[in-house]
Amino acid sequence: GQNIDQPTEMTATEGAIVQINCTYQTSGFNGLFWYQQHAGEAPTFLSYNVLDGLEEKGRFSSFLSRSKGYSYLLLKELQMKDSASYLCAVIHNQAGTALIFGKGTTLSVSS
Amino acid sequence: DVKVTQSSRYLVKRTGEKVFLECVQDMDHENMFWYRQDPGLGLRLIYFSYDVKMKEKGDIPEGYSVSREKKERFSLILESASTNQTSMYLCASRTGTGGGDRDEQFFGPGTRLTVL
Repeated sequence: GQNIDQPTEMTATEGAIVQINCTYQTSGFNGLFWYQQHAGEAPTFLSYNVLDGLEEKGRFSSFLSRSKGYSYLLLKELQMKDSASYLCAVIHNQAGTALIFGKGTTLSVSS
Repeated sequence: DVKVTQSSRYLVKRTGEKVFLECVQDMDHENMFWYRQDPGLGLRLIYFSYDVKMKEKGDIPEGYSVSREKKERFSLILESASTNQTSMYLCASRTGTGGGDRDEQFFGPGTRLTVL
């Protein structure tokens, strides 16, 4: 089967750095996605990793270790608007190209 | 600007009613999906389709059916709505032909369905 684990909630302050972890178990790994979802809105794509290492995109970076089944999303210089849920996902191994998602990590940024 | 649209943002129905949720995408994507999202349970895949008239069950298909008569449109049908189907329903699409694994899945804005 497939399993994705993320912390349920995290809190941080403006200007800080936060790391959101994700561990996964899946056969036939084809990459890991991170999505951001603000309350009441649709998830939006943040990043995709298929090779080990860190990929940086502005204030957001995503890391992958395939041997450990582990990824993290790093958010730097936190802003209030970064308060959202962050969803980790891999390709569903029995549903074509669908993604299977973790339950999400709700990040609250305070001033 | 790529778009996935859903017919309603909010919907209130009675137990036993037949409910249709419509989704349209303008990106010519082969793959379309229906998820529901519930607090503490996250996003769960109900059904998906990889081509016109093709449909496959996801992880929680019970109580639902789907229809895909045209490439751009994917409908979710609740044959007889029940209170445990109160949820946020999200449609998504993703490229297929010529696309790679890295291609993102685009989501619609969601329909919040309440069954009374």
